[in-house]
Amino acid sequence: AQSVTQLDSQVPVFEEAPVELRCNYSSSVSVYLFWYVQYPNQGLQLLLKYLSGSTLVESINGFEAEFNKSQTSFHLRKPSVHISDTAEYFCAVNENTGFQKLVFGTGTRLLVSP
Amino acid sequence: EAGVVQSPRYKIIEKKQPVAFWCNPISGHNTLYWYRQNLGQGPELLIRYENEEAVDDSQLPKDRFSAERLKGVDSTLKIQPAELGDSAVYLCASSPTGIVENEQFFGPGTRLTVL
Repeated sequence: AQSVTQLDSQVPVFEEAPVELRCNYSSSVSVYLFWYVQYPNQGLQLLLKYLSGSTLVESINGFEAEFNKSQTSFHLRKPSVHISDTAEYFCAVNENTGFQKLVFGTGTRLLVSP
Repeated sequence: EAGVVQSPRYKIIEKKQPVAFWCNPISGHNTLYWYRQNLGQGPELLIRYENEEAVDDSQLPKDRFSAERLKGVDSTLKIQPAELGDSAVYLCASSPTGIVENEQFFGPGTRLTVL
């Protein structure tokens, strides 16, 4: 069975500082990987995903994540965060079965302060 | 275009009472998902519909939970009777089809409190 570990429940950071949110997964088969973001009082939104091809994927708002198969990781990074990035971030894994069955991590709350 | 609509947004009930949640997916989306999110946890899939057919309900506690999507559009999730441990946020999501390449779009959720 697949699983996702997000070791950091909360990450405080100052505005304009870099940030890394860690995600490790476990699966016996190949996987697809996702990061979802949940802003306060809103539903989850897809931030970025890795399906195939380049192991480095980027979002439109400056986040990036790199799929590392040997370390079974998919860490999320941003070189300079904004106050508006304050949200809960969920990593999710989907085994390569052709259809969607996401397994989510427990989430990391990113708190950006001025 | 409207997103996934869920109602009610909040529900407080006493244990042993029944409760129902409603979801209207994005127009044209054939696949609908119900998730449960416990406090401090990520969402967990309860059931997935392809049109009106429940194709994955392996994680739905069938003794007290039921769901339906009669016309392949909106859906209802019911709990009867509710228990204290059912307090959670119930999320609905939809996607054009169930293939992994399609993005899931989530509603705002229904926060259930069982007293």
